[in-house]
Amino acid sequence: DTAVSQTPKYLVTQMGNDKSIKCEQNLGHDTMYWYKQDSKKFLKIMFSYNNKELIINETVPNRFSPKSPDKAHLNLHINSLELGDSAVYFCASSQQLGTEAFFGQGTRLTVV
Amino acid sequence: GESVGLHLPTLSVQEGDNSIINCAYSNSASDYFIWYKQESGKGPQFIIDIRSNMDKRQGQRVTVLLNKTVKHLSLQIAATQPGDSAVYFCAENGQGAQKLVFGQGTRLTINP
Repeated sequence: DTAVSQTPKYLVTQMGNDKSIKCEQNLGHDTMYWYKQDSKKFLKIMFSYNNKELIINETVPNRFSPKSPDKAHLNLHINSLELGDSAVYFCASSQQLGTEAFFGQGTRLTVV
Repeated sequence: GESVGLHLPTLSVQEGDNSIINCAYSNSASDYFIWYKQESGKGPQFIIDIRSNMDKRQGQRVTVLLNKTVKHLSLQIAATQPGDSAVYFCAENGQGAQKLVFGQGTRLTINP
């Protein structure tokens, strides 16, 4: 069983398009995150949610809008995609904020 | 401020040798640290963690050392194997912080 699963794994799209990445965790965790990993492998948190409530928004452009319909899901919608949005996006979950996080396999987003 | 960094971005070792990966952190209030391993095309995976009330913690073939005086963390891998090839990240959770802050990452390559 996959603990944290995100779809799609690869996403290639044109500038200006709107796209979504879905994430689900079956670990029963209360907290979920979105991280962005750039070409130099640097991992930076974007958002964290605890019990469906937004806790952290790390000065991410408002073109990025996370949505948590329930504790097991945290989706990421991106409007008006830009070239600089190209990266690998990781969803993660943990029992509590700031504790050991379990990561999904990542979504490689390429904006052309 | 928040900063978790690594001394070496790349490390090459001979198969069977021991590997040491280092990490410096700047937040003296951090009380929880994790080492993650990220293999190509996958998300980061938990290796071992340590709390600030400990100096050393051992797992299977891995040891984490924490020196709070100089804010330094290291991961030792014994008898390095080809499967250890990956990028290794340290992460910290500052006291009261609600997120994990990741370091830059070190790419470990194993020479046969």
